[in-house]
Amino acid sequence: EAGVTQFPSHSVIEKGQTVTLRCDPISGHDNLYWYRRVMGKEIKFLLHFVKESKQDESGMPNNRFLAERTGGTYSTLKVQPAELEDSGVYFCASSQDRDLNEKLFFGSGTQLSVL
Amino acid sequence: ELKVEQNPLFLSMQEGKNYTIYCNYSTTSDRLYWYRQDPGKSLESLFVLLSNGAVKQEGRLMASLDTKARLSTLHITAAVHDLSATYFCAVRGSGTYKYIFGTGTRLKVLA
Repeated sequence: EAGVTQFPSHSVIEKGQTVTLRCDPISGHDNLYWYRRVMGKEIKFLLHFVKESKQDESGMPNNRFLAERTGGTYSTLKVQPAELEDSGVYFCASSQDRDLNEKLFFGSGTQLSVL
Repeated sequence: ELKVEQNPLFLSMQEGKNYTIYCNYSTTSDRLYWYRQDPGKSLESLFVLLSNGAVKQEGRLMASLDTKARLSTLHITAAVHDLSATYFCAVRGSGTYKYIFGTGTRLKVLA
């Protein structure tokens, strides 16, 4: 079974440019989460999808960030325009159940560097 | 707002020694996870703790949960080099589906 895959693994862009990160969850997983780790700090929640619907986007830093999950399958996270403080590792996670047995499966992350 | 504090941030230890990583959280939670991350890899789920007094063990790692103290510990027994990694605790707030992570503990086991 394929795990959660993220693309690209690394991205280096200049301030003001646009970057789109992609996450393919495990097939059949309705829940998809985006997280971000900046400068070795804690991993911070960005948002949560259930299928194609945004359930909680309280962690999105500002309106330069746009997440979508078309058809409830893969998800994209677009940053436009990118700023220096957006640098970090962006993780995606998926899960099948939200009940007591929920287990999150993480991708290996996208390392974003904004210069 | 739920906050999670983890300490120490860095831990360098000799093989064969024991040590404990601590995870404190600020409000009630219905579950707590421990994850391991190797450099450049995804986070791997180690344990999920659901109730007060829960204790789980896998190999040289043992995790426990005290919901009254809002504290979880990850105890390492007789460390080996293969345990070198970053360890995160994560807490899910009651009534939410948002997981709050600690800052991580970077563990280095010296041969």
